[in-house]
This record gives sequence, C-alpha cells and structure tokens, in this order.
Amino acid sequence: DVKVTQSSRYLVKRTGEKVFLECVQDMDHENMFWYRQDPGLGLRLIYFSYDVKMKEKGDIPEGYSVSREKKERFSLILESASTNQTSMYLCASSLGITGHLIQPQHFGDGTRLSIL
Amino acid sequence: SQQGEEDPQALSIQEGENATMNCSYKTSINNLQWYRQNSGRGLVHLILIRSNEREKHSGRLRVTLDTSKKSSSLLITASRAADTASYFCATGKIIFGKGTRLHILP
Repeated sequence: DVKVTQSSRYLVKRTGEKVFLECVQDMDHENMFWYRQDPGLGLRLIYFSYDVKMKEKGDIPEGYSVSREKKERFSLILESASTNQTSMYLCASSLGITGHLIQPQHFGDGTRLSIL
Repeated sequence: SQQGEEDPQALSIQEGENATMNCSYKTSINNLQWYRQNSGRGLVHLILIRSNEREKHSGRLRVTLDTSKKSSSLLITASRAADTASYFCATGKIIFGKGTRLHILP
C-alpha cells in the first residue's frame, strides 16, 4: 500500500515565523500535492509538482512556496506565517497522468497547523 | 468555478439504510472520482468512473455518471456505523467539492 507521511500531526507556530511542512511518499509517484482544508471551503489546492524540481501553482499559492529536491519528498513553506494560514494541511501523491486519466490520489493524515 | 458540488451538505440515516449523495460539476470531464474522509484523517480514494462509463460498482458502493447532466451519484447500500465520514467528489484536474457529511445513526 502507498504510504504518504506528513512530518507532524499538530503544529503550533507564531506569526511571522517561517514554517516548513514535510511530506514523504514511498511509492515512487511522479505527482505530489499540497492542499489546505477549511470548514465550509473544502479542499483547496495550494501547489502541486509533477516531477523533481518542477512545481505549479494551484488555486491559492499566495503566502506559500514549495520545494521538491527529491522525488519522494515535497515540502510546503510558509514564508512568514499569518493567522489566516491556520488550517488543516493535506499532502497527497499520485502516479503521473496517463493520457487524460487523472490517477487516484493517496493522502497523508494531515497536519493541523495553528498560527498564534 | 470548476469545483464539483456535493449535495446534500449533510445526511443522517439509520444503520442499514441506503445513503445517496450527489455531485454536480460545470465543465467536461474525462473521469470523476469519489473519496471518503474520516474525522481527523486524510482522504481515501473509493472509486473512479470514466466519462464513457455510466455505472460502476465496488462492494456496497455504486456510482453513476450522467455526463449530459454533468452529475454523478454515490450510493452506499446497507450502511454501517463505520461509513460515518465526509464524502467528496473530484473532477478534472484535481478539483474537489466541499463534501457531504454522512452520519450513520445506530
């Protein structure tokens, strides 16, 4: 089974801090994703990566950056944390797109981040 | 927005009953996926249906797709307490709806 591991289940940081959220997958998937999930808003895509050192902005990239130096690891960076970034962050991975078929995503259990 | 939208937002039924959730979307799709999320956990992929398929089954799950109406439904038969979760449809390029919260009453 695919395992997607997020480094922390709960994290508390202060406004203005630089925050790193780490995600590792063990199935050699090409694609990796970062979402945030907020009540009433569902899942919103922040960034995704379809290959090492490649990244694309999702729907809400402002205030975030990402890093993918190795295929199995995808990091989300909050450059200067703000209270409106308090949220549940979910990482996912999937095989590359085959033709037009979007492959199923495998999710980690999430990091609940609180910015004070 | 290309986001799929699930309906209803919340659903409570008795254990043993069938649960039906719907998803509507706005743009043409190649496939549609359904996911489940247990409280405090990540999403789990349930089933994928391609645009040229009308119905698909997996255990107690039955998914239908009507591309002319841009809608899909997820039916869970003989519901169990363990089915209590939020259910999401995902369309196109990684676009999730806001989910249906399903609560199974004992």
